[in-house]
Amino acid sequence: QKEVEQNSGPLSVPEGAIASLNCTYSDRGSQSFFWYRQYSGKSPELIMFIYSNGDKEDGRFTAQLNKASQYVSLLIRDSQPSDSATYLCAVRGGGTSYGKLTFGQGTILTVHP
Amino acid sequence: DTEVTQTPKHLVMGMTNKKSLKCEQHMGHRAMYWYKQKAKKPPELMFVYSYEKLSINESVPSRFSPECPNSSLLNLHLHALQPEDSALYLCASSPRGSGGSYNEQFFGPGTRLTVL
Repeated sequence: QKEVEQNSGPLSVPEGAIASLNCTYSDRGSQSFFWYRQYSGKSPELIMFIYSNGDKEDGRFTAQLNKASQYVSLLIRDSQPSDSATYLCAVRGGGTSYGKLTFGQGTILTVHP
Repeated sequence: DTEVTQTPKHLVMGMTNKKSLKCEQHMGHRAMYWYKQKAKKPPELMFVYSYEKLSINESVPSRFSPECPNSSLLNLHLHALQPEDSALYLCASSPRGSGGSYNEQFFGPGTRLTVL
């Protein structure tokens, strides 16, 4: 079983719709969760992080965390073509993992006009 | 200054060359990281420095040698690389020492390395 799994893509949504990206993780002691956006040929850009159960909103982005279900998601409201990118879920494990992030394989999102 | 910078942007080297990648941040961050990313794959951690000391080496071959001269600078020295080492090399930094649980990592733009 992969340590961090993301919903298989690619995901295609029309402009203005809500894009929903999902991620599950296996380490129950994981404490911090990150979403990165990566455009083709560019480096990952941190767009959201969440540490506590519940929702965290930042502009059009909402991260949701449910530690009991070991599930974290990212919602993008009013999707724009500029949101088209690969989205990487990253999880920092519990214990003395000394900052090691485990990444999911990424979900490719395409927002079409 | 709120970014991580990396030089060079692109590097082409032969298998017998010695070269270095440089990473710099002036945000006062206390942990710095080297990652390798192959096409269509997520980043893979190589090394972690926390408070200028090497805290993680993910069993990286010795042809890659990291160095942290000071709290703002991180180098990756390359020697006798193989063609399969061609990849995007990413540097990242985080505000607190790497042992902290709540510690966002911010990536630089990367160096695209090609080994001939």
